[in-house]
Amino acid sequence: QKEVEQNSGPLSVPEGAIASLNCTYSDRGSQSFFWYRQYSGKSPELIMSIYSNGDKEDGRFTAQLNKASQYVSLLIRDSQPSDSATYLCAVTLSSGGYNKLIFGAGTRLAVHP
Amino acid sequence: EPEVTQTPSHQVTQMGQEVILRCVPISNHLYFYWYRQILGQKVEFLVSFYNNEISEKSEIFDDQFSVERPDGSNFTLKIRSTKLEDSAMYFCASSVTSGESPRRTTDTQYFGPGTRLTVL
Repeated sequence: QKEVEQNSGPLSVPEGAIASLNCTYSDRGSQSFFWYRQYSGKSPELIMSIYSNGDKEDGRFTAQLNKASQYVSLLIRDSQPSDSATYLCAVTLSSGGYNKLIFGAGTRLAVHP
Repeated sequence: EPEVTQTPSHQVTQMGQEVILRCVPISNHLYFYWYRQILGQKVEFLVSFYNNEISEKSEIFDDQFSVERPDGSNFTLKIRSTKLEDSAMYFCASSVTSGESPRRTTDTQYFGPGTRLTVL
């Protein structure tokens, strides 16, 4: 079973729409969850961290965490062409150290004008 | 805004040669990490480092790899006897702490721009 799963996409949304990105994880004891954005050939750039169940908002971004369902999502409101990138979900495991990030393969988002 | 920096941006080497990838973490950060990303694949954890010693390493991080903090600012990854399959982007990251007790949550890790390693 993959530790962190994401739909590879591409997820195509029109400019101004809401983009919804999803991630599931296998370790029920995971405590820390992150969304990173990665442009082609660049390094991961942090968008959001979330640690508790519920929603966390930061500007146009909202992260949602449901530990019971082992599910974390990222909503991007008013999507812009500059949001076109691969979005990486990363979690930490409950065993084997809690500072090791386990990444999903990423979802490619394409925002078209 | 403070950033993690890495040099070189691109390193080309012959198979069997040794390479050293360099990183300057954010100045007040205490925890340092190396990750790698083979083209088209996931970002993979290699090693974490704190207080001048390795705190955790992955199965990938075998005897071919070593890390060092040679001075107060640099953090290096050495790959001895490089192989073709070592070709990848190598990212350095740093965080202020490794997490909070007792919840054992993980602090945010900030990534450098990466070094593209090409082994011929």
